[in-house]
Amino acid sequence: GAVVSQHPSRVICKSGTSVKIECRSLDFQATTMFWYRQFPKQSLMLMATSNEGSKATYEQGVEKDKFLINHASLTLSTLTVTSAHPEDSSFYICSAPQGVVGTEAFFGQGTRLTVV
Amino acid sequence: AQSVTQLGSHVSVSEGALVLLRCNYSSSVPPYLFWYVQYPNQGLQLLLKYTTGATLVKGINGFEAEFKKSETSFHLTKPSAHMSDAAEYFCAVSEGSGFQKLVFGTGTRLLVSP
Repeated sequence: GAVVSQHPSRVICKSGTSVKIECRSLDFQATTMFWYRQFPKQSLMLMATSNEGSKATYEQGVEKDKFLINHASLTLSTLTVTSAHPEDSSFYICSAPQGVVGTEAFFGQGTRLTVV
Repeated sequence: AQSVTQLGSHVSVSEGALVLLRCNYSSSVPPYLFWYVQYPNQGLQLLLKYTTGATLVKGINGFEAEFKKSETSFHLTKPSAHMSDAAEYFCAVSEGSGFQKLVFGTGTRLLVSP
């Protein structure tokens, strides 16, 4: 099946710094990618839709100036958590749909962000 | 808007017993339905999906699910649990007409005892 690679898998950063997370589709092109966030013992919540060549679409309640998304190419989307705070500590995971009909979204391995 | 309800945040079974994880959905359009498994600190792995056609869907690792439109359900089953099945399971519905966004349930943790 298709592969989506997410990097890094774990990151610890100091409060106030920024962290960039990459999501790559390794063997297919993805004009759209999705970024989810998962708090401990909770479900995944969609944060934003990353669109190649245009601005990302953010879900209600997600600060677009804090979570910067750039879909630089058909195989790469990045999420930058700016001025991170401890409450931003979470599991971030991306997905990319693939296929002619596109009935499946492939997920990256996820990134565990800890802000200290 | 679409939504997913997973009854039971935890389900405990003995090894070899039947696994039943419940999922009900709400959708104003014909849904695409998915079950994903998540092992600790890992991403999501697709178990199975329903798009159209046969309502009984078979997935990996011996899991299957049946789409019941009249009951708006998509319960996940496995005849005989294995220790390696212990994980978090998420049911999801595709928002809109296709695959673009997934709305997830709150997840069910499956515990398998010897």
